[in-house]
Amino acid sequence: DSGVTQTPKHLITATGQRVTLRCSPRSGDLSVYWYQQSLDQGLQFLIHYYNGEERAKGNILERFSAQQFPDLHSELNLSSLELGDSALYFCASSVDFGTGGNNEQFFGPGTRLTVL
Amino acid sequence: AQKITQTQPGMFVQEKEAVTLDCTYDTSDQSYGLFWYKQPSSGEMIFLIYQGSYDEQNATEGRYSLNFQKARKSANLVISASQLGDSAMYFCAMRPPNSGYALNFGKGTSLLVTP
Repeated sequence: DSGVTQTPKHLITATGQRVTLRCSPRSGDLSVYWYQQSLDQGLQFLIHYYNGEERAKGNILERFSAQQFPDLHSELNLSSLELGDSALYFCASSVDFGTGGNNEQFFGPGTRLTVL
Repeated sequence: AQKITQTQPGMFVQEKEAVTLDCTYDTSDQSYGLFWYKQPSSGEMIFLIYQGSYDEQNATEGRYSLNFQKARKSANLVISASQLGDSAMYFCAMRPPNSGYALNFGKGTSLLVTP
């Protein structure tokens, strides 16, 4: 158990809908990263928050948004869902950020999103 | 963007044997981190080992070791004494300094350990 929790574990919804994925980082971790894993794109970085502030964006669509709350949990909002958004969405947390080894990222179990 | 290449889509190894999973990377940064993660069929991503670009010693964590050759830009994972539970996807990742410190993953190698 990495200490990172994600809810829900599975989510099935229809095209055009909006969903919210939730992540609670490990105790003491200030950084939260969101990744998307799909068969065709592999594992891709979406967005990074540190202590409530957005730090970097990766391949995140404009239909997607995220935020990190004062208690450090984070939510990823996906709207106007398309079939291609079906994927495993991971949240990862680390103490800080940087290239140092003490900033390894620990992943949550993921939320499997299926868009029908 | 930095590129991570894992050239072996699938590997087989017999139980108790050692196996090397290849990873090469492309970067012009001097400071970066290299990681290996394991993803079993259950889907979770499990951190295995880390190597910093300035670390002189190869990283080791139990049965996992990282064969880091900086000049060749390779960071191969060596699993010694393979166990059936090692069957999984293995991902190499790099954390450069200029992308919010997010991980940039390779496509992965599927490892099957046979009895």
